[in-house]
Amino acid sequence: GAGVSQSPSNKVTEKGKDVELRCDPISGHTALYWYRQSLGQGLEFLIYFQGNSAPDKSGLPSDRFSAERTGGSVSTLTIQRTQQEDSAVYLCASSPYPGLLYNEQFFGPGTRLTVL
Amino acid sequence: AQSVTQLDSHVSVSEGTPVLLRCNYSSSYSPSLFWYVQHPNKGLQLLLKYTSAATLVKGINGFEAEFKKSETSFHLTKPSAHMSDAAEYFCVVSDGGTASKLTFGTGTRLQVTL
Repeated sequence: GAGVSQSPSNKVTEKGKDVELRCDPISGHTALYWYRQSLGQGLEFLIYFQGNSAPDKSGLPSDRFSAERTGGSVSTLTIQRTQQEDSAVYLCASSPYPGLLYNEQFFGPGTRLTVL
Repeated sequence: AQSVTQLDSHVSVSEGTPVLLRCNYSSSYSPSLFWYVQHPNKGLQLLLKYTSAATLVKGINGFEAEFKKSETSFHLTKPSAHMSDAAEYFCVVSDGGTASKLTFGTGTRLQVTL
């Protein structure tokens, strides 16, 4: 079956521009997560959605970062006024049963963001 | 708060020899532990997960991990390495809360040589 998909796969932007990254989770998965993978920081949690609400935004690095989820499905991560330190691979994951111990998360291929 | 420490950033083995990737965890309660693998330009894939049903966990592609509470370890092993095993491996702990968000180790890059 279809896995988690993300678009674009690569994004190059200029410092100061806004970018939108999209995630399509596995159909029926209620939980959606965004993570960031960068050279200096490794893999970090950004935000968690249960349905359309985001009960945990603790990993968002600044107010330039925001995310939304609509219809309990597609999610968009928006970075405003991008900075060079935002360059990273942004990973999306989904899972069917959040809060269940040993619950697996299924990851998308990621979006590689480069800020010049 | 929980955390994991991967003791080696890079491991190199010859094809056909055993693989050992080391991971220690820190958690104030019974942890949920996972190993994920990331091949170049590919997404993260679950190798195996500790479910408390058994301390020795078998995963895909011949990998195993043993949960040792006394040593707070969850090392990943494979009896015989294959060239296709070359990848980045992440030891991961879940917070076990309603979000089940994952905390990743820094990763171990496995190189397999002929």
